[in-house]
Amino acid sequence: AQTVTQSQPEMSVQEAETVTLSCTYDTSESDYYLFWYKQPPSRQMILVIRQEAYKQQNATENRFSVNFQKAAKSFSLKISDSQLGDAAMYFCAYRSGNAGNMLTFGGGTRLMVKP
Amino acid sequence: DGGITQSPKYLFRKEGQNVTLSCEQNLNHDAMYWYRQDPGQGLRLIYYSQIVNDFQKGDIAEGYSVSREKKESFPLTVTSAQKNPTAFYLCASSDRVGNQPQHFGDGTRLSIL
Repeated sequence: AQTVTQSQPEMSVQEAETVTLSCTYDTSESDYYLFWYKQPPSRQMILVIRQEAYKQQNATENRFSVNFQKAAKSFSLKISDSQLGDAAMYFCAYRSGNAGNMLTFGGGTRLMVKP
Repeated sequence: DGGITQSPKYLFRKEGQNVTLSCEQNLNHDAMYWYRQDPGQGLRLIYYSQIVNDFQKGDIAEGYSVSREKKESFPLTVTSAQKNPTAFYLCASSDRVGNQPQHFGDGTRLSIL
């Protein structure tokens, strides 16, 4: 079974600075997808960024980018120019390429943004 | 606007009682999901459905039941067999089989009286 680990329960960043959230996963599969979801205080889950394992290029969405290290099974999220609205819980998630649409989530990292 | 509606926002259950959480979507999505979230933990999959009249158990299905009689509706029943039901429940959907959940509802918080 796949596992997803987020080793940082809480992180804080100064507004306008850059922060990196860590995620590692364990799998024996070669075909899979990785995701970062944001859950603000409203509790709505919002997809931030997605990475296909077969792609070597790191995904980027505006101020959000990932550092995907397939051999190390690491998938960190970098948030540049942090904004107050970035404060939320962030969840890393894994989905097998073969198992339909079941996601395995990490335990989450709470990000605080200081003005 | 299309989206997922979960109701109620807060729900209380008495000992030995079954309760049903509602999830409705107007996105015309084929797949729907129920997740449970406990404090300090990620989401765990309870059940999911890829088409009408079909559903599959997730990682923690014991003590829960679902139905998918209509494409837009995927209610979750928390039965009396679920001994620790206090949690936050999220419903989600995706447009087709093979895609990850793309839309989430606002959630229902279930507590024990």
